[in-house]
Amino acid sequence: EMQVVESGGGVVRPGGSLRLSCTASGFKFDDFGMTWVRQIPGKGLEWVSGINWNGGSTGYADSVKGRFSISRDNAKKSLYLQMNTLRADDTGFYYCARVPGYGWNPLSMDVWGKGTTVTVSS
Amino acid sequence: VVMTQSPLSLPVTLGQPASISCRSSQRLVSSDGYTHLTWFHQRPGQSPRRLIYKVSHRDSGVPDRFSGSGSGTDFVLEISRVEAEDVGVYYCMQGTSWPFTFGPGTKVDIK
Repeated sequence: EMQVVESGGGVVRPGGSLRLSCTASGFKFDDFGMTWVRQIPGKGLEWVSGINWNGGSTGYADSVKGRFSISRDNAKKSLYLQMNTLRADDTGFYYCARVPGYGWNPLSMDVWGKGTTVTVSS
Repeated sequence: VVMTQSPLSLPVTLGQPASISCRSSQRLVSSDGYTHLTWFHQRPGQSPRRLIYKVSHRDSGVPDRFSGSGSGTDFVLEISRVEAEDVGVYYCMQGTSWPFTFGPGTKVDIK
């Protein structure tokens, strides 16, 4: 069964950092681009960042550019999101999702994790 | 690209059809010739699930009562006969123009 599982969420103070991880199984990880999507509680979905199959190409939403960094380790079948200088409006549920194809652009997502919660609060 | 959906709330009767509209502020034809318009369904407490990609391609395992259509800037998701498991929020997303954007969602519930 193809799946991705997120971890690393938690509570952090404004200005702090957090690193999310996503571990894949059931498919050849390095054949796919990957992406992070977040959901503010009770609200809609927001694309955060994407990365291609070998990490050579990445992209970010304007709201996180310069603060977040996406990376991957294909040997570990893992995707990461390093989040720095966190703000209250980064609070939400963060999903890892697979992008069918080697790239992250253009985008669609066909395998989603269950997500991990990030709370930024003093 | 701004994505809008209508209606935002859709009470439906079991067994009856339902339709959700999605509109983009720009045409969504990509340089690869495809229109990267995707529909997702999110049940309460669950992750989104992809239903339709590239406007009209249904994902494996998605019931054939779901169909997508449209072109340019106007797209539609139709459910031919609503079933109880179809409740939740439906999102359209454009994957053509970076940064990628979602519609606000349409909440479907049973009358």
